[in-house]
Formats: sequence, C-alpha cells, structure tokens
Amino acid sequence: TQLLEQSPQFLSIQEGENLTVYCNSSSVFSSLQWYRQEPGEGPVLLVTVVTGGEVKKLKRLTFQFGDARKDSSLHITAAQPGDTGLYLCAAYEDNYGGATNKLIFGTGTLLAVQP
Amino acid sequence: NAGVTQTPKFRVLKTGQSMTLLCAQDMNHEYMYWYRQDPGMGLRLIHYSVGEGTTAKGEVPDGYNVSRLKKQNFLLGLESAAPSQTSVYFCASSYPPSASTGELFFGEGSRLTVL
Repeated sequence: TQLLEQSPQFLSIQEGENLTVYCNSSSVFSSLQWYRQEPGEGPVLLVTVVTGGEVKKLKRLTFQFGDARKDSSLHITAAQPGDTGLYLCAAYEDNYGGATNKLIFGTGTLLAVQP
Repeated sequence: NAGVTQTPKFRVLKTGQSMTLLCAQDMNHEYMYWYRQDPGMGLRLIHYSVGEGTTAKGEVPDGYNVSRLKKQNFLLGLESAAPSQTSVYFCASSYPPSASTGELFFGEGSRLTVL
C-alpha cells in the first residue's frame, strides 16, 4: 500500500495567522485531492490537482502539487475559526503507471483556529 | 437531497456479536467504498465496489465482509466483532475516476463500539 504522510499532525493557531500543511509520499500519483472534515460529518472535497507544479487557489486556501507529483501542500492565509477541521489529502493508488480505483487517504492534519 | 445515508449512526456491540452497516446512495454512482477512521490514522479503506455485484479488498479488509447486491446499496458486515473494530465507519460513493474528478461523497459516519 502506498502511503501518504501528512505534517503536522496537529496545529493550533490564532485567528489571522498563516499556516501550511504538507502531504508527502515516495510514490508518484496522477492526481491528488484535498478534503476537509468537520466534527460529526464526512469529509468534503476541497480541490483536485492533476498536473505537476499546479497551483490552485480557493479564496484564502492555496494548493500546490509538487513537480514530481509525489507531494502537495495546502497554505491558508489569515486563518479564521471557520477553517477549523481535519484536513486530509488523498490519491488514487497507482499500479504500474496507471491509477487504480482505490482512493487512499493521508494521516490527516487537525487544525484548530482560536478566535 | 439525501446523498449518502448510513444506518445505524451509533451501535454498541459485545465481543463476538455480529452486525451489518447499511449504506445507501441516491446519486446513481457506480463506485462505493467503506472506510474506517481512527485517531491519528486518517481514513483507511476496508472494501470497495466498482459496480453492482462486484467487491474488492482495500487496505484493512480482515474481519469484514461486504456485499453489493443492488447498485444503490453497499453493506458492511462484521461476523464476530472484536474491540479492535471499535471505530467510526464511513461510506462513500463516486462516479468512476476516469469519468470525473473522482470526488468521493461521504455519509455522516457510523460510530461502532465493541466492548
């Protein structure tokens, strides 16, 4: 099984601060997704990145896919309490150069933004 | 809009008891997944299905069985529950990744405690 390691595992910051969450793997993926999960709910897709080096912005959130398509980062500018949640990266497991139907998830980053 | 519905939401079992979790989706999705979520470990894939009548093993299939007799339903069974199966279980569905962004739509989760 290909692993997706996220760091940090926990992050507690004050409102208005910036932060970056990382998702790393030794494997190459054809695409990578980021989900956010709030307490008592299932994860919800934020973005999908598909091209090495790609940068996508979603309001105050910036997602980047590494050039080698092995890693990704999520940067939040001026964090707000509403950004609190569990952030998960995910990718379809690769099998000899082709994506399979198995979506595997990273270990998660739990973000708490204090007002 | 129901989306993905999981029943039951909560269940307490004694070691050795059996139970079935039901997942129903009304989006006509081909693919369905069962994940378990434990603290610090993100989401781990148990079993998945790429269509009616088909199932496949994920990362942690031992101790679980699944069935997909109807396209809209995906059942997860525990034949003899163990304390290690205490977890929150999530069902998800999607269109085939090749035909879309591969976004998964999740249910709200089922919290299972095995004593």
